[in-house]
Amino acid sequence: QKEVEQNSGPLSVPEGAIASLNCTYSDRGSQSFFWYRQYSGKSPELIMFIYSNGDKEDGRFTAQLNKASQYVSLLIRDSQPSDSATYLCAVKGNTGFQKLVFGTGTRLLVSP
Amino acid sequence: DAGVTQSPTHLIKTRGQQVTLRCSPKSGHDTVSWYQQALGQGPQFIFQYYEEEERQRGNFPDRFSGHQFPNYSSELNVNALLLGDSALYLCASSLQGVSPLHFGNGTRLTVT
Repeated sequence: QKEVEQNSGPLSVPEGAIASLNCTYSDRGSQSFFWYRQYSGKSPELIMFIYSNGDKEDGRFTAQLNKASQYVSLLIRDSQPSDSATYLCAVKGNTGFQKLVFGTGTRLLVSP
Repeated sequence: DAGVTQSPTHLIKTRGQQVTLRCSPKSGHDTVSWYQQALGQGPQFIFQYYEEEERQRGNFPDRFSGHQFPNYSSELNVNALLLGDSALYLCASSLQGVSPLHFGNGTRLTVT
């Protein structure tokens, strides 16, 4: 079982729709959860992070965490073609040093 | 405020050669982590440096080594290059104990 799992996609949504990206993780001791956006040929860019169960909103982005189900999601409202990228879910374990474990990413395509 | 800077941006090497990649962390950060990202995959943790010591290491052979300098900058060295070492090498910095990681633009290494 992979430590962090994501559907590779592509997830295709029309402009203006809500894109829902999902991620599951295997380590129950995980404490911190991150979403990175990566455009083709570029490095990952941090979008959101969440530590506690529930929702965290930042502009058009909402991160949702359910530790009991070991599930993290990212909602993108009013999707724009510029949101087309690969979205990486990353999980930090319960050690004192910040090793992030990444999923393989979900490719999002937003069509005009 | 400079972010994480990496050099060089691109590099082409031949099998068996050695390579050194460099990273300067974001201002105020003291911890540097290195990741390898193969095409179509998520970043894989190589190792992390804090206080000039390797604090944690991923599942990479001893051919991969590193160093952190007193000014917090870091180098990644790879010996006896293999074709499979071709990847995007990402450096990320953070302030120890404080997430999240901020990535540099990466070094694209091609081994022929």
